[in-house]
Amino acid sequence: DAGITQSPRHKVTETGTPVTLRCHQTENHRYMYWYRQDPGHGLRLIHYSYGVKDTDKGEVSDGYSVSRSKTEDFLLTLESATSSQTSVYFCAISESGLAGTYEQYFGPGTRLTVT
Amino acid sequence: ELKVEQNPLFLSMQEGKNYTIYCNYSTTSDRLYWYRQDPGKSLESLFVLLSNGAVKQEGRLMASLDTKARLSTLHITAAVHDLSATYFCAVGNTGTASKLTFGTGTRLQVTL
Repeated sequence: DAGITQSPRHKVTETGTPVTLRCHQTENHRYMYWYRQDPGHGLRLIHYSYGVKDTDKGEVSDGYSVSRSKTEDFLLTLESATSSQTSVYFCAISESGLAGTYEQYFGPGTRLTVT
Repeated sequence: ELKVEQNPLFLSMQEGKNYTIYCNYSTTSDRLYWYRQDPGKSLESLFVLLSNGAVKQEGRLMASLDTKARLSTLHITAAVHDLSATYFCAVGNTGTASKLTFGTGTRLQVTL
């Protein structure tokens, strides 16, 4: 299994509070991603990183920010949590690989509930 | 904007039967992936398809890619209960930090 951990694994927070989710990898992969998974929507990309300090927005980035100060860590911050951000959040990593597959490997997920 | 559609969204099938899940996408792409997700778990990579006509098989699952038709299929042969899961296809493009766009998933239930 790819060495990806996410913390916390479960969190309940109140509307309006900031929340930071952490993704940590031991694979030294260049690319890291944050997705959210909601029923009926599959996985949607929030933000991604293509190197230290290099990040960009995905399709559902409003209300989220990210930072990557080290290769191994990618942080997702909900600046002021809302109930619509209740979801399961997955981190993923990828690298080009020998065949240029850019296969993405997923972390275990964080279940976030905003009350 | 890339759109990825899977059908069916839900599939109930008996053990021993064959069936196919379809994944259509809206713009040119050179990479397609299939993932499996068990309830409450993370996503597990099944197949990576990189070229037109690519076919990959693992056990009772076989995936193929037709880039001209913008279509991938996941064929299930002689289904068994252990294949019950949600299956996602995802489409990517080289040169965009290997971002993926996912389909909404097909929930497969294999009954005895």
